[in-house]
Amino acid sequence: AQSVAQPEDQVNVAEGNPLTVKCTYSVSGNPYLFWYVQYPNRGLQFLLKYITGDNLVKGSYGFEAEFNKSQTSFHLKKPSALVSDSALYFCAVETGAAGNKLTFGGGTRVLVKP
Amino acid sequence: DARVTQTPRHKVTEMGQEVTMRCQPILGHNTVFWYRQTMMQGLELLAYFRNRAPLDDSGMPKDRFSAEMPDATLATLKIQPSEPRDSAVYFCASGLVRGARTPGQGHQPQHFGDGTRLSIL
Repeated sequence: AQSVAQPEDQVNVAEGNPLTVKCTYSVSGNPYLFWYVQYPNRGLQFLLKYITGDNLVKGSYGFEAEFNKSQTSFHLKKPSALVSDSALYFCAVETGAAGNKLTFGGGTRVLVKP
Repeated sequence: DARVTQTPRHKVTEMGQEVTMRCQPILGHNTVFWYRQTMMQGLELLAYFRNRAPLDDSGMPKDRFSAEMPDATLATLKIQPSEPRDSAVYFCASGLVRGARTPGQGHQPQHFGDGTRLSIL
């Protein structure tokens, strides 16, 4: 079965420092991986995806993610975190033969302190 | 900017009452998803539709929940009778799945509404 795991429930980082949110995956076949962000009282917003090609994927709000096949990881990164990046982050893998269906990780809460 | 619209945004009702949540997907999207989010269980997929036909509703309690798409602009999720354990935030999302003859156009992201916060007393 396709799945993703987010090993950290919460990540704390000081504003201006690098931010990393970890995600590992387990899939049969090619992995199609996504990152979403959720702000309070809002729905999930798409940040970026890896389908094929370059292992470094750039997305919205200055985020990027590195796909590592040997480590089965897809960590989300931002070189310099902002207080406004404080939110809940979800990693997801596309599953289902019909396409477009996502299986989400448990989420990682990011707190950026001024 | 196109958005998924969910109504109502908040709903408080007593146990046993019928609850109906509505979703207007983004125009042109052919896939609609219903999710439930709770602190304990996280984000759960309840059901999803492709071209208005149900593809998978295995995540949904069949005895009290039902999901339909009366037309391409409206998806509904009903709970009857409601129970306190149904209290959660319910999200609708829509997406576009293109055919296999359009290479490179697959794996499109889902677009989420802002949810219905449901409280069953």
